[in-house]
Amino acid sequence: AQSVAQPEDQVNVAEGNPLTVKCTYSVSGNPYLFWYVQYPNRGLQFLLKYITGDNLVKGSYGFEAEFNKSQTSFHLKKPSALVSDSALYFCAVRFSGNTPLVFGKGTRLSVIA
Amino acid sequence: DVKVTQSSRYLVKRTGEKVFLECVQDMDHENMFWYRQDPGLGLRLIYFSYDVKMKEKGDIPEGYSVSREKKERFSLILESASTNQTSMYLCASSLSFDGLAFFGQGTRLTVV
Repeated sequence: AQSVAQPEDQVNVAEGNPLTVKCTYSVSGNPYLFWYVQYPNRGLQFLLKYITGDNLVKGSYGFEAEFNKSQTSFHLKKPSALVSDSALYFCAVRFSGNTPLVFGKGTRLSVIA
Repeated sequence: DVKVTQSSRYLVKRTGEKVFLECVQDMDHENMFWYRQDPGLGLRLIYFSYDVKMKEKGDIPEGYSVSREKKERFSLILESASTNQTSMYLCASSLSFDGLAFFGQGTRLTVV
């Protein structure tokens, strides 16, 4: 079955340290991959996407993500975390054609000063 | 910039009421979606629509219906609200070619 997983409910990072938020998916073919961020009581904001091309994708606010086809992963990264990065992060996948995005359960990132 | 507007940020309704959640997008997107968000469950798709007057069930359609009479507007209807429908409801729209979805601010619905 097609699915997307975020294995960590919570990630804690010290300010200035690198951060990684993990995402894996289960599908055949070439999915479209997305990361979104949600601040308290707000809708989701788009961060970045991978459709094709370079496996390293750069997005908003200094975030980047690496597409790894062999490991079916699309981990979100940032070299130096900020307290303002604290939020809920969602990985999403479009598996085929014009189909709705399927979301992971979300990872809460806390950056501690 | 794409704007997706949900008519209410917060709603409190009584059990058994019929509830309408409205969503409007201003970028001529073909696709529109309704998700609900619950802690620990992420976003779950309720209904979606690829065109005017078309609708498709998502993963959790029970207790909900939708209406899309105009391309820019997608309404979610709770036929008879129940307490287990207390949740955050998120509307989104997208173009077909890449699936990038733009979200509204969300409506936090409480059913008492």
